[in-house]
Amino acid sequence: EVQLVESGGGLVQPGGSLRLSCAASGFTVSSNYMSWVRQAPGKGLEWVSVIYSGGSTYYADSVKGRFTISRDNSKNTLYLQMNSLRAEDTAVYYCARSHRAGLSLIYFDYWGQGTLVTVSS
Amino acid sequence: DIQMTQSPSSLSASVGDRVTITCRASQSISSYLNWYQQKPGKAPKLLIYAASSLQSGVPSRFSGSGSGTDFTLTISSLQPEDFATYYCQQSYSTLLTFGQGTRLEIK
Repeated sequence: EVQLVESGGGLVQPGGSLRLSCAASGFTVSSNYMSWVRQAPGKGLEWVSVIYSGGSTYYADSVKGRFTISRDNSKNTLYLQMNSLRAEDTAVYYCARSHRAGLSLIYFDYWGQGTLVTVSS
Repeated sequence: DIQMTQSPSSLSASVGDRVTITCRASQSISSYLNWYQQKPGKAPKLLIYAASSLQSGVPSRFSGSGSGTDFTLTISSLQPEDFATYYCQQSYSTLLTFGQGTRLEIK
């Protein structure tokens, strides 16, 4: 059974840093595309970042240069390092397995339960 | 970035109604369009991928169509458990984007 379990959320001051983790089971993280998606309170979904199986990474303009996606193959875990945090980064952060089919089709077929990040002084 | 615009933003309907939600892309995205359902406090759930392919386990009352810039999600006969928020998502660009969501409420 595929499972994704996020951790690492919490309260952080503006300008601070936080690292989110997403422990996967039932499949191999390094063989898949993996993404982070966030949802601000009462708002819609916003894609944040993706890491391809080959290691390439991409970021939304809103987090580029501040967030870093990575994975630990030995732990089968995905990470999101978040630096220079702003109030507008406050959201529930979901990790999602990003199934790739064909040249450009990527869809999120499994999601974690989410972890809340609150940026406030 | 490719912008995804859903309409309507909210919709009231009754059990048994046929409902259609529209998603428009700011440029052609071929059929690289997916649909998700999200209920309050829960993670999103994949319904449709590649514009019209039904994800395993999803009821057949859900269907998707379209290509290029215009797409639709149709629920043929609303059930009580279908009241939720629906999102489209494109993957034509390496920078993935979602629509703003359509909230489906009980009339």
